Amino acid sequence: NAGVTQTPKFRILKIGQSMTLQCAQDMNHNYMYWYRQDPGMGLKLIYYSVGAGITDKGEVPNGYNVSRSTTEDFPLRLELAAPSQTSVYFCASSISGRGLYGYTFGSGTRLTVV
Amino acid sequence: AQTVTQSQPEMSVQEAETVTLSCTYDTSENNYYLFWYKQPPSRQMILVIRQEAYKQQNATENRFSVNFQKAAKSFSLKISDSQLGDTAMYFCAFMNSNAGGTSYGKLTFGQGTILTVHP
Repeated sequence: NAGVTQTPKFRILKIGQSMTLQCAQDMNHNYMYWYRQDPGMGLKLIYYSVGAGITDKGEVPNGYNVSRSTTEDFPLRLELAAPSQTSVYFCASSISGRGLYGYTFGSGTRLTVV
Repeated sequence: AQTVTQSQPEMSVQEAETVTLSCTYDTSENNYYLFWYKQPPSRQMILVIRQEAYKQQNATENRFSVNFQKAAKSFSLKISDSQLGDTAMYFCAFMNSNAGGTSYGKLTFGQGTILTVHP
């Protein structure tokens, strides 16, 4: 049981480059989330999805885009990378939007923009 | 919007002793969940304990327990018999749980407390 798989684990980007952070889950969870964690800080929600074809912005969506064409995959796209996007990115999933069930987190992607 | 505040950036404790991590939150909601997550150096986010706001009884999970004070909007984590493996960043987190389900399970995190357990 793989849970939530994030790729890559590490990446260095140059300013202005673009990339896609991949996230896949094999638990048939409807709810999926992208968070970023800046050094010494808590996680902040970038985007979330409540099912295939349905996405919405979180607290810090600027500079990012998402899509959810299948239940399993929830990629995060960075366009025109900026140093402010240097962070650790976590993908998570949940079977429902209720706190009773909790989250399954991926292991994170450390992104550095230089 | 909800806010979560952890006022202790760093804490340390001797092995086998007890330590309490503080968390306060601000919300106008009545139904919600509170969580403590552990993030060891491996970076993995691990759920430590969960509290449902409508339950008066404090949650416990083995050596971990909470002191939930709803009126004071306080949610502290007590770790008993601290072990070296407890060394990690600990995050307090809030999730709204309104009846209509429109919170969509979004979590609001505090800034985190780095806990170091010394041998």
